[in-house]
Amino acid sequence: DIQMTQSPSSLSASLGDRVTITCQASQDISKYLNWYQQKPGKAPKLLIYDASYVETGVPSRFSGSGSGTDFTLTISSLQPEDVATYYCQRYDNVPSFTFGPGTKVDIK
Amino acid sequence: EVQLVQSGAELKKPGESLKIFCKASGYSFRSQWIGWVRQMPGKGLEWMGMIYPDDSDTKYSQSFQGQFTISVDKYINTIYLQWNSLKASDTAMYYCARFHVGYFDFWGQGTLVTVSS
Repeated sequence: DIQMTQSPSSLSASLGDRVTITCQASQDISKYLNWYQQKPGKAPKLLIYDASYVETGVPSRFSGSGSGTDFTLTISSLQPEDVATYYCQRYDNVPSFTFGPGTKVDIK
Repeated sequence: EVQLVQSGAELKKPGESLKIFCKASGYSFRSQWIGWVRQMPGKGLEWMGMIYPDDSDTKYSQSFQGQFTISVDKYINTIYLQWNSLKASDTAMYYCARFHVGYFDFWGQGTLVTVSS
């Protein structure tokens, strides 16, 4: 089974800071990596699909990059409404979907 | 507008049965996979399985095989998640989510299932 790890598990940053979250797969998953945002008490929301494509309606401060085993979600300028837990998720055609353990982001 | 509306919170006892639902609207329901994701209290997201409404083809996560059943009524645009004998470890929030070419693009609001004696 392909395992997903995320780092850090949590972070505290100041408003306006650039925030970077990494996701690593235990095997090459090409570009098949998505990112979700889950605010407290809410359902997850798709942010990024296929590693780097921003979902319609998602603010432009969110971006994704990477391929193979190493991926990154970047928030270019942290806003109060970005307080949430962020999950990466891989998929294949089996089908099989595996979420990372999550990264909790809050404001310093 | 795509909407997934789930049934309300449930409080059940161990050993009881339960069927929760997710009603879809705003898109061609029969031609897109839709599935269930579990979130145990304070924990992360786990994909459980998914169903193709047009022919009821169903895929289950190997991690959950046999613990529940996913079904569909394509005439009322609704999918179901059913347990025959609940355990305390089934206590969780359950989300339905539409699958689109590799990602889950729309999510229901969640159904909280609490299993306690």
